[in-house]
Amino acid sequence: GAVVSQHPSRVICKSGTSVKIECRSLDFQATTMFWYRQFPKQSLMLMATSNEGSKATYEQGVEKDKFLINHASLTLSTLTVTSAHPEDSSFYICSARNPGINTGELFFGEGSRLTVL
Amino acid sequence: RKEVEQDPGPFNVPEGATVAFNCTYSNSASQSFFWYRQDCRKEPKLLMSVYSSGNEDGRFTAQLNRASQYISLLIRDSKLSDSATYLCVAPRRGNEKLTFGTGTRLTIIP
Repeated sequence: GAVVSQHPSRVICKSGTSVKIECRSLDFQATTMFWYRQFPKQSLMLMATSNEGSKATYEQGVEKDKFLINHASLTLSTLTVTSAHPEDSSFYICSARNPGINTGELFFGEGSRLTVL
Repeated sequence: RKEVEQDPGPFNVPEGATVAFNCTYSNSASQSFFWYRQDCRKEPKLLMSVYSSGNEDGRFTAQLNRASQYISLLIRDSKLSDSATYLCVAPRRGNEKLTFGTGTRLTIIP
């Protein structure tokens, strides 16, 4: 079964609204979670690293004020796309490592497909 | 050189054939690598980890060539269900983050 769960799986919103995506680790505690974005036929691009109890670190070119990340607990990170625009339409995926597994493998959530009208 | 580089394909291969993909990486200090499989409109799922010279899991074999800085994935006796995009993944220079290749698209033809 899934070890990282993401919600919602699909969301359609109007331009200018904000959308929140949740990412939960189900069987382990994750002090760090990663948020990726994937446009059609492109690879996963790391947007930011979510750190429990501290500020997220953003990749170059990713606007921290537009993509708000909150990692309030060891099992939950949220990504809020603020004032969404059609160009923000994408597949957003979170991931985390299980500290009990030392392979370095990333476990991914099911992804959230955002469509901004 | 890009951090991770893959041939995007597409590879159209008849069922039962053997197919191999290569992936080059730039971080010579990388110790571990991964092949992930991604089906259309789904999240990536781990296929194989590659730590030393390589490893084998059923029909799948992954090999690592540190001298030339590439990893390969070999699929034998390909099945229709192997149709997917295969992502090569390597650690980013200096930290725990992973960099994904653009993926190689494979279609197995009946």
